[in-house]
Formats: sequence, C-alpha cells, structure tokens
Amino acid sequence: DQQVKQNSPSLSVQEGRISILNCDYTNSMFDYFLWYKKYPAEGPTFLISISSIKDKNEDGRFTVFLNKSAKHLSLHIVPSQPGDSAVYFCALSGSARQLTFGSGTQLTVLP
Amino acid sequence: DTGVSQNPRHKITKRGQNVTFRCDPISEHNRLYWYRQTLGQGPEFLTYFQNEAQLEKSRLLSDRFSAERPKGSFSTLEIQRTEQGDSAMYLCASSLTGGHAGNTIYFGEGSWLTVV
Repeated sequence: DQQVKQNSPSLSVQEGRISILNCDYTNSMFDYFLWYKKYPAEGPTFLISISSIKDKNEDGRFTVFLNKSAKHLSLHIVPSQPGDSAVYFCALSGSARQLTFGSGTQLTVLP
Repeated sequence: DTGVSQNPRHKITKRGQNVTFRCDPISEHNRLYWYRQTLGQGPEFLTYFQNEAQLEKSRLLSDRFSAERPKGSFSTLEIQRTEQGDSAMYLCASSLTGGHAGNTIYFGEGSWLTVV
C-alpha cells in the first residue's frame, strides 16, 4: 500500500512558464514534507521543505504548498528553466524521521 | 567537499558473491541512513543509525544484508550471496538530530550495484 503517491510520472513545460508537481499522501502522522530533485546516476538533492504547521514555504523560484485536510503537497517552479529538467520526488517524514518517498515525476522544461 | 561520500560508485558482481559499500557522512551529522532505489521508483528506506547504534531496520533488509557504523562515523553496507534482484542504487544519507522535526536528510551520489 503506497503511502505517498505522485500520480504524474512525467510533465513537460515550456521555458518561462510555471511547473506544478503534485504529491498525495494517506498517513496523517507525517509532519514534515520535502522535495528532492534527482539527475540520472546521482543521489537526490534537497530542494525545499515545509512543516505541518505551515501551508506555504517559498525559496526563490520554488514554492511548496501543503493542504493537510486534502493530504496534498505541491511544488511550484516559476519561471521554469531548462536546467530544472530532472526527476522530482516528494518525501515525507514522520516520528521515526526516515523519509518515505513518492515514485517521482520527470519534469522536462522545453526551451 | 563536505557532502556525503559513497564508494565504490559502481560495482558489477557475479551472483553469489559478497559486496560491501562504504559511506562517509557529513562530519557533524550523527544520523546515517541507507536507502535503495530501483528504476522507476523512489528511494526505499533500509536502515538508520544514530551514532553507532542501529535503531531501525526495514523489512526490506533481508538476512543477507548487514550494516555497521562501528565508531559512529563512516558506515558499511554488506550484501552477502548477492542475487540479481539486489541490482539497484544504494544511497547513503545523513542528518543532524534534535528537537526540530525537519533536520534535512542529505544524500550521497549513490553506489550502483549490478549483479550478473
């Protein structure tokens, strides 16, 4: 049973437009939410995070939104750049502090 | 470079052989994690250490897998009698602990294992 779902395996966006990546979860015990970016043959790189007491966190072009009632997390990238092309994973943390990952969304930003 | 370091980066081994991966975490981090990632999936948690103590093991970690962190610094992950299903990227990560719920976990570049 998947606790964390990224239902879109891929997303293509034109350069300069907004990219929206989504993540749904089932377990209400998660209290910290992170996004990682991964290039092929490399480990995941931390991007941005949000705690359960907030509903928005912004860092430059990246904004993470949390809707706890809907158990939904999203990452907005604006404006999107070709260098943003990568696989994006949402990762959720509970009391045990290890991360539970979604299956990832391949973002392609077209020049 | 003060990030998480893993070696070897790539390992090809014959089925039935033993392999060992090493991880050097970020120096001040007292938590160390091992994850496994296969194609098309997100990383899956295997085990973690707080200092030298192994605090949790996933059911994914069969008896053929053993992890150690003898002095609370670097860690090794050994896979005995490898099987083709063990082919994956093995990721090490580290973090600080504390009252803050969000101590970020930082990953190394991973060690690719191919069992032939």
